[in-house]
Amino acid sequence: DAKTTQPPSMDCAEGRAANLPCNHSTISGNEYVYWYRQIHSQGPQYIIHGLKNNETNEMASLIITEDRKSSTLILPHATLRDTAVYYCIVRAYNFNKFYFGSGTKLNVKP
Amino acid sequence: GAVVSQHPSRVICKSGTSVKIECRSLDFQATTMFWYRQFPKKSLMLMATSNEGSKATYEQGVEKDKFLINHASLTLSTLTVTSAHPEDSSFYICSARGWGGDSPLHFGNGTRLTVT
Repeated sequence: DAKTTQPPSMDCAEGRAANLPCNHSTISGNEYVYWYRQIHSQGPQYIIHGLKNNETNEMASLIITEDRKSSTLILPHATLRDTAVYYCIVRAYNFNKFYFGSGTKLNVKP
Repeated sequence: GAVVSQHPSRVICKSGTSVKIECRSLDFQATTMFWYRQFPKKSLMLMATSNEGSKATYEQGVEKDKFLINHASLTLSTLTVTSAHPEDSSFYICSARGWGGDSPLHFGNGTRLTVT
């Protein structure tokens, strides 16, 4: 699986958009980008995934660059409950395993 | 949808005893289930992958005799920590993946194991 690079921490003001970047410059053509978050002492929560097109669901939007070497997870209106560690994972289609990197600790501040 | 239930959420046991943790996919059939371990302030570490009816595949460095995994059905996997020692104290998290090549993992809420 391609390695991902994320900033260790970010701050965001409550009510503003949180934009979390992920670099995956060695991504292959059949590898998807997945985003999860983990609130303290809970299991990770699936947020969104995509291959090359931008994706949106009720939680977030995923923007993947045209060359697919990086992506951004957007939480449009961050709340205090969005404070968590966010993980970006790259995984090939039909490949079983998900390996977690160190993620980004998002601090949403009032 | 895609709910994974993990029990117990917390367990305290004495050194030398064994502990079983259950993981169930409640509303979908899981082709594969995974077990992770997490130390404080660290990321999740994949321990093993299990498919229904076959032996689990363990990651390098994970003792298969210490961490016994049974995947009895498409909705149930168990992890047994055998002869537990204080160094086995950790947060254990299971996950399950449904059908479809790009289907995401869905996670249980974890089990906090403390060995005294």
